[in-house]
Amino acid sequence: AQRVTQPEKLLSVFKGAPVELKCNYSYSGSPELFWYVQYSRQRLQLLLRHISRESIKGFTADLNKGETSFHLKKPFAQEEDSAMYYCALSTRGGTSYGKLTFGQGTILTVHP
Amino acid sequence: EPEVTQTPSHQVTQMGQEVILRCVPISNHLYFYWYRQILGQKVEFLVSFYNNEISEKSEIFDDQFSVERPDGSNFTLKIRSTKLEDSAMYFCASSEAEYGPQYFGPGTRLLVL
Repeated sequence: AQRVTQPEKLLSVFKGAPVELKCNYSYSGSPELFWYVQYSRQRLQLLLRHISRESIKGFTADLNKGETSFHLKKPFAQEEDSAMYYCALSTRGGTSYGKLTFGQGTILTVHP
Repeated sequence: EPEVTQTPSHQVTQMGQEVILRCVPISNHLYFYWYRQILGQKVEFLVSFYNNEISEKSEIFDDQFSVERPDGSNFTLKIRSTKLEDSAMYFCASSEAEYGPQYFGPGTRLLVL
């Protein structure tokens, strides 16, 4: 069975500092990884997916299959980045039909 | 930009009562999902739905749960006889493709007393 682990429940940084939100996964096959963000009182929104290899709002994430990680990084954090961030995994094939397995989430607070 | 909508935003019910949570997915999407999040816990998959039938369900999704797409726009989750432990935020999501990005609704907060 697949699992997603986000080891940090809370992460605090100052504005302008680099930020890295950690995500590790376990899955024997070839996963698809996503980062979702939830700003205060808003819905879950897709931030990034590994397959598109793009940068959104200055965030990037690289899938490292050797370390089974998909850490989210931003070189200079902004106050508006304060939110809950979820790492999620989807598996192709077999009996899966695109369901997402989520990590516990990390609350990022960016201080002025 | 089209969004997934859910109603009601909050629902309070007595244990043993039936509840129906409603979702309107994005109009050209074909894959539909329900997830739930008990307070302080992970977002958990409940069920996926495609072509008018369940394509996958989790162990949580027992006989008390059912889903339906009664018309071309709504997607509902019914809990027949609610239990205290069903209290959670329920999220609907939809996707254009089977393994495409999923777009979430704002959620329905269900409280079972």
